[in-house]
Amino acid sequence: AQRVTQPEKLLSVFKGAPVELKCNYSYSGSPELFWYVQYSRQRLQLLLRHISRESIKGFTADLNKGETSFHLKKPFAQEEDSAMYYCALRGGAAGNKLTFGGGTRVLVKP
Amino acid sequence: SAVISQKPSRDICQRGTSLTIQCQVDSQVTMMFWYRQQPGQSLTLIATANQGSEATYESGFVIDKFPISRPNLTFSTLTVSNMSPEDSSIYLCSVDIWGDEQFFGPGTRLTVL
Repeated sequence: AQRVTQPEKLLSVFKGAPVELKCNYSYSGSPELFWYVQYSRQRLQLLLRHISRESIKGFTADLNKGETSFHLKKPFAQEEDSAMYYCALRGGAAGNKLTFGGGTRVLVKP
Repeated sequence: SAVISQKPSRDICQRGTSLTIQCQVDSQVTMMFWYRQQPGQSLTLIATANQGSEATYESGFVIDKFPISRPNLTFSTLTVSNMSPEDSSIYLCSVDIWGDEQFFGPGTRLTVL
């Protein structure tokens, strides 16, 4: 069975400080990993995916298959980064279904 | 991309009744998904709805409780039957665009009294 774990329910950082959201997964094959974000009063939207290897809004995430992790990082947090972040996995036999982690709420303080 | 709308956006219902949630997409898509997000929880997949076939339900979800229709490639409904307060959640539909990105609807916030 595939599983996604986000150990932190809440991360509170000051503006300009680095932020790292942890995501660990369990999956026997080659997964696709995603980060979704939900800003206040907005719908869930894709932030980035590991296969694109791009930086979105200053965020990056590297898939580490050895550690089965896909941590999300940003060197300098901004107040507009305050949101709920979900790590998600899609893989193999599960088809196109997404398995979500529990979510991490990020609060960036001024 | 895809633009997804859901109706109703929210509702308050009495226990024992049923509510049907509609999901409309602005383009034709093969796969649609229904999720539940209970208060303070993450998203849990209820079922996958493919046009022209029966919906595929995840463990813990059954068709009698959550019947789904998928009459065409742009529309689906989820019914929450015989509701109890434990069914109070946000229900979201999403669509998969060519196996690439999933787009989510705004959600339907259901409160069961």
